[in-house]
Amino acid sequence: DTGVSQDPRHKITKRGQNVTFRCDPISEHNRLYWYRQTLGQGPEFLTYFQNEAQLEKSRLLSDRFSAERPKGSFSTLEIQRTEQGDSAMYLCASSLSFSPLHFGNGTRLTVT
Amino acid sequence: AQKVTQAQTEISVVEKEDVTLDCVYETRDTTYYLFWYKQPPSGELVFLIRRNSFDEQNEISGRYSWNFQKSTSSFNFTITASQVVDSAVYFCALSDNNAGNMLTFGGGTRLMVKP
Repeated sequence: DTGVSQDPRHKITKRGQNVTFRCDPISEHNRLYWYRQTLGQGPEFLTYFQNEAQLEKSRLLSDRFSAERPKGSFSTLEIQRTEQGDSAMYLCASSLSFSPLHFGNGTRLTVT
Repeated sequence: AQKVTQAQTEISVVEKEDVTLDCVYETRDTTYYLFWYKQPPSGELVFLIRRNSFDEQNEISGRYSWNFQKSTSSFNFTITASQVVDSAVYFCALSDNNAGNMLTFGGGTRLMVKP
């Protein structure tokens, strides 16, 4: 069990640029989740996958956000045309069905 | 709609004191799950406990204990004999029966334990 890995740890980008984050879940976990956490707040659910299928998307996930999980392994979260309001910590978590979530250390995004 | 309220934004205690973190939730579902997570300064959320709505028994795990009261929609967390390593942000969270791990988190309580 090597834990959930996220890359990069930090990303600074200029408004209007596209960014992509990667998450590698615990290998035997079939479910993968993305959450967003702004400073001083609790995490907010964005989307989740069961294997390669994206089963749920929050209304928080605007059209500029897209997530994939090809072959049910790692996942990517892309934000197009970033805005300052996108600045946050993006957390990835995985689980085996409804077992408790294992979170990664997150990717901190700063949009200038 | 679901909602989780953690009214205490920050708590400061001296080592060895007992401390209780409050959590109040709102849901229309009769079947739901309640969680507590710890977020230390390193940032990685760590699972502490999950309870379902049909199990109101209090739970004790070492220095940690949880009190679930459906009558007041509360799921409070007590740390006995706090230690400096308990310093972290603690989150209470809720999901309904069909939501699985799509959790609604509270705003968190920052606990500072001073030596």
